[in-house]
Parts: sequence; structure tokens; C-alpha cells
Amino acid sequence: QLQVQESGPGLVKPSETLSLTCTVSGGSISTNNYYWGWIRQPPGKGLEWIGSVYYSGTTYYNPSLQSRVTISVDTSKNQFSLKVSSVTAADTAVYYCARHTGTSGLDWFDPWGQGTLVTVSS
Amino acid sequence: EIVMTQFPATLSVSPGDRATLSCRASQSVFSNLAWYQQKPGQAPRLLIYAASTRATGFPARFSGSGSGTEFTLTISSLQSEDFAVYYCQQYTKWPTFGQGTKVEIK
Repeated sequence: QLQVQESGPGLVKPSETLSLTCTVSGGSISTNNYYWGWIRQPPGKGLEWIGSVYYSGTTYYNPSLQSRVTISVDTSKNQFSLKVSSVTAADTAVYYCARHTGTSGLDWFDPWGQGTLVTVSS
Repeated sequence: EIVMTQFPATLSVSPGDRATLSCRASQSVFSNLAWYQQKPGQAPRLLIYAASTRATGFPARFSGSGSGTEFTLTISSLQSEDFAVYYCQQYTKWPTFGQGTKVEIK
């Protein structure tokens, strides 16, 4: 059964770069037609897609975050990563990784990781 | 950006009753719509995709309908484990989510 799991620091200082990694287990990240995505959820709020990556390195980003976000993939480790630069308190959220799947590969998200809370604070 | 609007924000329902949740898109998303269930402290879980196809593990009391801009999630007879927040998500353009409907015990 495919699983994804987030890891990374839970506290980041303002203006610094947030870095998270998602490890895929129970399947290969290099499977055709699957993308791998990041979604975040500020405390008590709704969900926001950040971006998604294919095993080839092709990426798609939320236009509202594109200037600060980089998503990359490491097929040798079966992992993909997220970097968000110049963070502010508004970036405080639970960050989820998920398989981005469906007919086009960029449709719905399933499964999701358990999520990791990242707090931006000095 | 396609804006997704869910209503009501909160739905109070008695166990065994029917719950009807609505999701509206700011432009047509055809049938490119998913629903997720999120329980407190947990990640969202895919419930419905392609507007009406139930994901693995969810019982038949959950059903999705609609196309274009108007969608509905129906829970025919609410069980205790169904009280949660439900989100819709479109995937016609880059993915966007609704703000969620909380289904609470009446």
C-alpha cells in the first residue's frame, strides 16, 4: 500500500527558507502518470495547493506562490522536496504531501501524508 | 483562478438523518471535481472523484452528483464516524479547494 510521509523542521524564522521532504514508500515515485504534490492548511483554515512534480522533474506551481516555491524530486531516494523562500507568518501551516493522480495525473490527491506543522516565528 | 464556494459552512445533523452539502464553482469545471473528508487532527482523505465516483473504502451512503458549476455531496444516513469537515476541489485548471463544510452532531 502506497504511503507518503513528510519530514523537516517544525520552526522556521521569518525571511528564511522552509524546506520539507516527502518520502514515498510502498511504490515507486517513478511511476508513469503520477505526479507528487504539496498542499498546505493554515491553522483552522482551508486547503491550498502549492505545486506538484513529475519524476522527470516537470513541475507545476500555484501561480500565487510560484515566485517563492521550488519543488524537486530525487528518484534514487524515492523522495520529493519543497522549498518556500522568504517565509512570513502567513506561511505557518500544516504541510501535506500527497500523490497527485487521476486521468491526467494532475487531478485529485490520494493518498495524503499525515502532515507536518511548520511555524514561522523568530 | 477557479473559486470554489461551499455551503453551508456548518451543517448540524442528527445521526441517521440525511446530509446534503453543496459546492459551487465560479466557472464550469465539467465533472472535474473531488470531495475529501477530514477528521480532527487527520489528513484529508479522498472520498469522491470525477464528481460521482466513490473512492475505495467509503460506503454507499456517500454519493456525489452534479456537473458544470453545481455539485452536491449526499450522506444518506449519517453515522457517528461521518461527522467531519468536507472539502470540494476542482481540477479543470490548477487545483483549488472550497473552504469546507463542517458536519456536526445536532
